[in-house]
Amino acid sequence: QVQLVQSGAEVKKPGASVKVSCRLSGYTLTELSMHWVRQAPGKGLEWVGGIDPEDGETIYAQKFQGRVTMTEDTSTDTAYLELSSLRSEDTAVYYCSVLMHSAGWYKHWGQGTLVTVSS
Amino acid sequence: EIVLTQSPATLSLSPGERATLSCRASQSVNTYLAWYQQKPGQAPRLLLYDASYRATGIPARFSGSGSGTDFTLTISSLEPEDFAVYYCQQRNTWPRTFGQGTKVEIK
Repeated sequence: QVQLVQSGAEVKKPGASVKVSCRLSGYTLTELSMHWVRQAPGKGLEWVGGIDPEDGETIYAQKFQGRVTMTEDTSTDTAYLELSSLRSEDTAVYYCSVLMHSAGWYKHWGQGTLVTVSS
Repeated sequence: EIVLTQSPATLSLSPGERATLSCRASQSVNTYLAWYQQKPGQAPRLLLYDASYRATGIPARFSGSGSGTDFTLTISSLEPEDFAVYYCQQRNTWPRTFGQGTKVEIK
């Protein structure tokens, strides 16, 4: 079965970068498509980006373009989300989730990683 | 991008009552819509997908309907564990988008 385990909480200063990891077990990254969703305190869910299962392209939400990078280490089945030029509005819980196929939905989620941006 | 608008923002009901939540899309998403439940401090849980199919292990009191731009999530008789926030999400086009959520609270 799919399990996603994320790295621990981070505290960063404005302007810095953060890199959150998500380790997959039960499957390999080559079999699934990794996505990231974030949730600011007391707010709703916001899709950050993910891999299109149809063609393997990485797609980012427009608002994060230029600041976000998603990478994968297939040797350890670990995915990474890096967000740069952090601002206070980036304070949120960041979740990883996987799509099993192109018609898939977010059935499996990591436990979330709280990223706090504060001076 | 497709905007999903959920209503109402908050629904105050008693256990045993019926809950009806709405999700409206800014353009057609066919039936490529899912509903998630989220409780405080937890990751979202997939309830329904493709508008009307229950995910594995989801009780029959949860049902979904709709196509195109208008969708409904119905909880036939609220159990204490159903008080939570519910989100809709579309996968018809990129970027994937979520509604802003409906909180179902105890009256």
